[in-house]
Amino acid sequence: GENVEQHPSTLSVQEGDSAVIKCTYSDSASNYFPWYKQELGKGPQLIIDIRSNVGEKKDQRIAVTLNKTAKHFSLHITETQPEDSAVYFCAASIQTYKYIFGTGTRLKVLA
Amino acid sequence: EADIYQTPRYLVIGTGKKITLECSQTMGHDKMYWYQQDPGMELHLIHYSYGVNSTEKGDLSSESTVSRIRTEHFPLTLESARPSHTSQYLCASSGGSRSYNEQFFGPGTRLTVL
Repeated sequence: GENVEQHPSTLSVQEGDSAVIKCTYSDSASNYFPWYKQELGKGPQLIIDIRSNVGEKKDQRIAVTLNKTAKHFSLHITETQPEDSAVYFCAASIQTYKYIFGTGTRLKVLA
Repeated sequence: EADIYQTPRYLVIGTGKKITLECSQTMGHDKMYWYQQDPGMELHLIHYSYGVNSTEKGDLSSESTVSRIRTEHFPLTLESARPSHTSQYLCASSGGSRSYNEQFFGPGTRLTVL
């Protein structure tokens, strides 16, 4: 069946450094790739997304890249801050309105 | 800030009880979803609905049931709770004109069955 692999499962970085989270998907029909941030005690919140007709998208300190041929997509956070500490999920659409989520990455930004 | 609400936020009940987890959204979204999130963080789709009177089972088998009688309301029911149902349950919705694919999540209900 379809699946999304996400790495690493935990990531610790020093404040100000960059963080990269990588995902691989299996369904070649996937065309929408959102990234969610989940803080303690809250539901996931969308932070950036990318569609399959675009290779890269940036929003301030956050960027996402997509390699459709390799079925890889990555989240890049630059100049990390303590408030970036959270669990991050990638997802890939498997039908128009359904996602499969990755297994999550717990990011810790050390002050 | 998404307008999707879940109640209760926390629930501790005994085995065998019937419970209903409430989810409502005020965004007029036609699609709604229930996910189960285990302690290892993974999100598993257990039910979804593409509109009123439409419900489907998700990828993870669940003993829960759902109903969609009104667009804004998508309750999840467990007829007889068991300790294996202990988990975090997240409701989401999508279908807004601004970002049709984006799913907006509620804050979750943490269920503990003793």
